[in-house]
Amino acid sequence: DAKTTQPPSMDCAEGRAANLPCNHSTISGNEYVYWYRQIHSQGPQYIIHGLKNNETNEMASLIITEDRKSSTLILPHATLRDTAVYYCIVRVPFKRGNQFYFGTGTSLTVIP
Amino acid sequence: NAGVTQTPKFRILKIGQSMTLQCTQDMNHNYMYWYRQDPGMGLKLIYYSVGAGITDKGEVPNGYNVSRSTTEDFPLRLELAAPSQTSVYFCASSYQAGGTDTQYFGPGTRLTVL
Repeated sequence: DAKTTQPPSMDCAEGRAANLPCNHSTISGNEYVYWYRQIHSQGPQYIIHGLKNNETNEMASLIITEDRKSSTLILPHATLRDTAVYYCIVRVPFKRGNQFYFGTGTSLTVIP
Repeated sequence: NAGVTQTPKFRILKIGQSMTLQCTQDMNHNYMYWYRQDPGMGLKLIYYSVGAGITDKGEVPNGYNVSRSTTEDFPLRLELAAPSQTSVYFCASSYQAGGTDTQYFGPGTRLTVL
């Protein structure tokens, strides 16, 4: 069962904010939301994560709804180098450690 | 730091052959992971390890084996390769502390089974 749902593709004008939505309606209280991106076929790159509160770092902001059923990744000023597939991930505690459940991702194209 | 390194970058196998995908990390991370990524799909967890001598199955472990004899190395073994194992394989490592478990990925191994 997919734990996250994302739109398959989005476009964004260079310099504008890119807002990438994600639904995770079955998320449990101790499960984190992570965002990674994958440029071409390279290894995924960490962007940001959160549990309940909104988070911000040098790359992006993460807005999580109060009921935690959805979240939005915001790239404040998209550049051409932000063109990539963005994955919304639910981190689930497992027997030992955690499992990351990747969705199918959103392919973001930043347009000049 | 080199981070997470994987070898080989590419490999073509015949059905029934075996091979080992190598993964090494130099960040002294306790956790290591193997994922596969099929075309157009997200990553799926094959196996993971929380430390030397400890391994656990992920979502899709069938057809694979792993071992973890050192902190740095986490090889993935394919026995009797099948076309369904054609995929890109990613190794990752992380250090778990509190609520943080950020995984760092290697560049991947592209495997084709013919």
